[in-house]
Amino acid sequence: GENVEQHPSTLSVQEGDSAVIKCTYSDSASNYFPWYKQELGKRPQLIIDIRSNVGEKKDQRIAVTLNKTAKHFSLHITETQPEDSAVYFCAASRPGRRALTFGSGTRLQVQP
Amino acid sequence: NAGVTQTPKFQVLKTGQSMTLQCAQDMNHEYMSWYRQDPGMGLRLIHYSVGAGITDQGEVPNGYNVSRSTTEDFPLRLLSAAPSQTSVYFCASSSGAPNTGELFFGEGSRLTVL
Repeated sequence: GENVEQHPSTLSVQEGDSAVIKCTYSDSASNYFPWYKQELGKRPQLIIDIRSNVGEKKDQRIAVTLNKTAKHFSLHITETQPEDSAVYFCAASRPGRRALTFGSGTRLQVQP
Repeated sequence: NAGVTQTPKFQVLKTGQSMTLQCAQDMNHEYMSWYRQDPGMGLRLIHYSVGAGITDQGEVPNGYNVSRSTTEDFPLRLLSAAPSQTSVYFCASSSGAPNTGELFFGEGSRLTVL
């Protein structure tokens, strides 16, 4: 089955700096790669996703890049703010698979 | 729209007790699923359903049962609780297969088994 590895497990940055979280996946047929943000005590919520026919996608301060050859994708957050502090999960899935496989999560702390 | 609603939010059980976590969605989603979240292990799929009357096992199904008698409801049953089942449980739903779009999560149910 699919295996998704996520690094780092914790990340601390100064407000205004950039943050990068990386994930690798094992199933070369995977074609959908979402990122979820979970604030403390809250539910995970989708913040951005990318499909395998696209190499990069941006939404304001967040962007996701995908390298299909290397089977890895990354979340980039620029100009970080304290409200970006949360746990971020990457995930992967492929056609015909009725499940998302999640990474183990990255706890991002933005220091004011 | 309430979205995905889970009850209870907190529960303490003794080893061997049984209980049901309730999940309901009002978005007419065909796909529903249960995940457990443990520190450092992300979200792991327990069971899922692609429509009323259809369920299947996920990554960690042992000790749990599910049923899907209606589109709206997808309860998770713990048959004989064990301390290893102490976790936060999330129900999630989507309009199509997971690789087609957003999963909507409930607020979570924190279960402690003593």
